[in-house]
Amino acid sequence: AQKITQTQPGMFVQEKEAVTLDCTYDTSDQSYGLFWYKQPSSGEMIFLIYQGSYDEQNATEGRYSLNFQKARKSANLVISASQLGDSAMYFCAMRDIRKGAQKLVFGQGTRLTINP
Amino acid sequence: SQTIHQWPATLVQPVGSPLSLECTVEGTSNPNLYWYRQAAGRGLQLLFYSVGIGQISSEVPQNLSASRPQDRQFILSSKKLLLSDSGFYLCAWSSSSYEQYFGPGTRLTVT
Repeated sequence: AQKITQTQPGMFVQEKEAVTLDCTYDTSDQSYGLFWYKQPSSGEMIFLIYQGSYDEQNATEGRYSLNFQKARKSANLVISASQLGDSAMYFCAMRDIRKGAQKLVFGQGTRLTINP
Repeated sequence: SQTIHQWPATLVQPVGSPLSLECTVEGTSNPNLYWYRQAAGRGLQLLFYSVGIGQISSEVPQNLSASRPQDRQFILSSKKLLLSDSGFYLCAWSSSSYEQYFGPGTRLTVT
């Protein structure tokens, strides 16, 4: 079974600093996908970035980048130049493709707080 | 563009009462649909998913059920709510692409 582990329950960072949120995963599949979602206090889940297991380059989306280390089974999210609006819960997730659906398995999340 | 709606936004129900949460998607056809539940301070847990009308797969055995009466409508139900059913319920959809798009969620409190 697939499993996502996020070992940081909470992180506190000064505004404008870079921050790395850790994510490790476990799967026996050769083909898989990794996601990061942001959940502000409103509750909505906002897609941030995606990395496919066969992608040779690390994914980047604006201030977000994914540090993908396949041998270590890690997919850490890096946020550069953090902003106050980055304060939220962050979830790492893995895609499990079976029977035509694309189910997501989520980690427990990391609560990020950006201090002014 | 595609949008996903959920209602109600919040709900307070007594133990033993029935439940019906609705999710609808606009702007796409034949989406895969999902129901997730998030307990307080926890990650999301997949409850049900559907790849087509009338096709429901359950991930976690419990007193909840799901139905898909129309292509873009997904309903989560219960005949008798338990205290443990409290949580934040999120509906999501996906197409052939890898990304899942989430609705605004329903916060359910069972008293």
